[in-house]
Amino acid sequence: EAQVTQNPRYLITVTGKKLTVTCSQNMNHEYMSWYRQDPGLGLRQIYYSMNVEVTDKGDVPEGYKVSRKEKRNFPLILESPSPNQTSLYFCASSLWWRETQYFGPGTRLLVL
Amino acid sequence: DQQVKQNSPSLSVQEGRISILNCDYTNSMFDYFLWYKKYPAEGPTFLISISSIKDKNEDGRFTVFLNKSAKHLSLHIVPSQPGDSAVYFCAAIEYSGGSNYKLTFGKGTLLTVNP
Repeated sequence: EAQVTQNPRYLITVTGKKLTVTCSQNMNHEYMSWYRQDPGLGLRQIYYSMNVEVTDKGDVPEGYKVSRKEKRNFPLILESPSPNQTSLYFCASSLWWRETQYFGPGTRLLVL
Repeated sequence: DQQVKQNSPSLSVQEGRISILNCDYTNSMFDYFLWYKKYPAEGPTFLISISSIKDKNEDGRFTVFLNKSAKHLSLHIVPSQPGDSAVYFCAAIEYSGGSNYKLTFGKGTLLTVNP
């Protein structure tokens, strides 16, 4: 089954404790991206990647890192999480940036 | 500066009637537009898209209209069904070559279709 998976689905952590949210797709998609969804703000793009080893900042990249060492995986790294990074995070992938994006189920993060 | 605006946070319609969701944008460099639907506890799912060279795209019950001069697009759902109840996001893409890519979402509109 074609899908985008994210892990974990739920995470509670404390300020400053490094964490990684994994994202994996099995559709051989070139393009992958990360979004956060906050009440009243909609979806905002954090980082995106147009291909392996190519990553670029979206609208809200501060406090996040990503890597794209292989096509299928695009982890989101929070080196020192802060409470303002409490949010619902979505990973997405598509064959190319103009193609339909497939979203993962989301990761709900709470930073205390 | 919000470049993609969905000014109606919510919309309620009767089953069988038409639902019209609106989206305005300010960036004239946007050249591709998409609508996504999102149910609670799920990721957004793609609904329909339109290129800036077109003014209409239709897929079953869903039609998207683009008015470039007014920087306005709308999503029409006819007839509306209770299963259409969800949050609808408008999104716009600006691409200027290489990795110069910008995707912007609106804040979403909650559609409720009443039986």
